Amino acid sequence: GDSVTQMEGPVTLSEEAFLTINCTYTATGYPSLFWYVQYPGEGLQLLLKATKADDKGSNKGFEATYRKETTSFHLEKGSVQVSDSAVYFCALIGTPRTGGFKTIFGAGTRLFVKA
Amino acid sequence: GAGVSQSPRYKVAKRGQDVALRCDPISGHVSLFWYQQALGQGPEFLTYFQNEAQLDKSGLPSDRFFAERPEGSVSTLKIQRTQQEDSAVYLCASSSYRDSLTDTQYFGPGTRLTVL
Repeated sequence: GDSVTQMEGPVTLSEEAFLTINCTYTATGYPSLFWYVQYPGEGLQLLLKATKADDKGSNKGFEATYRKETTSFHLEKGSVQVSDSAVYFCALIGTPRTGGFKTIFGAGTRLFVKA
Repeated sequence: GAGVSQSPRYKVAKRGQDVALRCDPISGHVSLFWYQQALGQGPEFLTYFQNEAQLDKSGLPSDRFFAERPEGSVSTLKIQRTQQEDSAVYLCASSSYRDSLTDTQYFGPGTRLTVL
């Protein structure tokens, strides 16, 4: 079945450092890919998404590019801030014909940013 | 309200008790999802509704789990004869489904269920 694998955390960075959180997926067909974020004490919220190969999703300085050839959707940010400290989840939705209506989430990567 | 709400926020049940968890989606949202999130893990899909129709219940872990959305708005997740392994945070999410399943899902705060 469909699955998502993301790098284990925690990831600890200093402010203004470059961030990469790796995410790879296995899916039948052509899934849509997402990054969700959960800030401390808050609910899950969508950060960005890409619905077809070579699309780039971006939001709040974060970017991720849908790479079909490497089945990857790595999250990047050029300069992290303390306020980016959160848990980040990579996720996919397949097509109803092949994957039903499931959203498949990775296990999450906790990011700590130090001032 | 402006967002997805869930109640109760916390529930403690003795093993063997039945529980009911409520989700109030954003008004007018067609799609509604339920997820189970164990500590330190990502959410696991349980079931999906489009209006009142339950189109996918493949993630429900056993026949003790039952979900309904009779009028296409509020949804209830019921767990019968709770077991300790049911302890988790149960999340509800809704989306407008204007275009497709890829429309943004808005998540509620979750119900933390602890089974003793």
